[in-house]
Amino acid sequence: QKEVEQNSGPLSVPEGAIASLNCTYSDRGSQSFFWYRQYSGKSPELIMFIYSNGDKEDGRFTAQLNKASQYVSLLIRDSQPSDSATYLCAASLSGTYKYIFGTGTRLKVLA
Amino acid sequence: DAGITQSPRHKVTETGTPVTLRCHQTENHRYMYWYRQDPGHGLRLIHYSYGVKDTDKGEVSDGYSVSRSKTEDFLLTLESATSSQTSVYFCAISATGPYEQYFGPGTRLTVT
Repeated sequence: QKEVEQNSGPLSVPEGAIASLNCTYSDRGSQSFFWYRQYSGKSPELIMFIYSNGDKEDGRFTAQLNKASQYVSLLIRDSQPSDSATYLCAASLSGTYKYIFGTGTRLKVLA
Repeated sequence: DAGITQSPRHKVTETGTPVTLRCHQTENHRYMYWYRQDPGHGLRLIHYSYGVKDTDKGEVSDGYSVSRSKTEDFLLTLESATSSQTSVYFCAISATGPYEQYFGPGTRLTVT
């Protein structure tokens, strides 16, 4: 059974700090990795995707991928109270058009 | 925002009744997916489609069927709803698998 694992949290950080969210995956053949933000009662919103080892930056967000360690992370710089949400990590399943999701990490940014 | 709508947005139904949820996209994306989201389980794939009339099962497909007769529409049917199918259902689309996937607004289904 392929899995994506995340710490459920909550992860609490003060406003202006860096929030670090982590995810591990079990399918060594996964090629694509995604971070979604989900506010309570809303649908998941894609905020970052990464396909290659290393870092990918977009504004305040940086996604990091280490395929050797099967580890994906999301850094949020200058965290704002509006960043408070659940963050879902997802990976593609090798050889398929399917994705597997973690159960999410709840982030709380304290004003 | 990706052009994805779901209908209905909320539905309450009784055990044993058939229910059909609709996902409509205006992006002309090839791949469409149905997920359910439950506390403690995250998003789980029910069925997906990789083209018109081409569908396949996900990890929680029992009790569900799907149909896709047009690129823009993907229907999810609960043949005989059970209380265990009370959930929030999300449709998602992707232009090419397995790359970026975008979600619709969701349907909250309650089976009493």
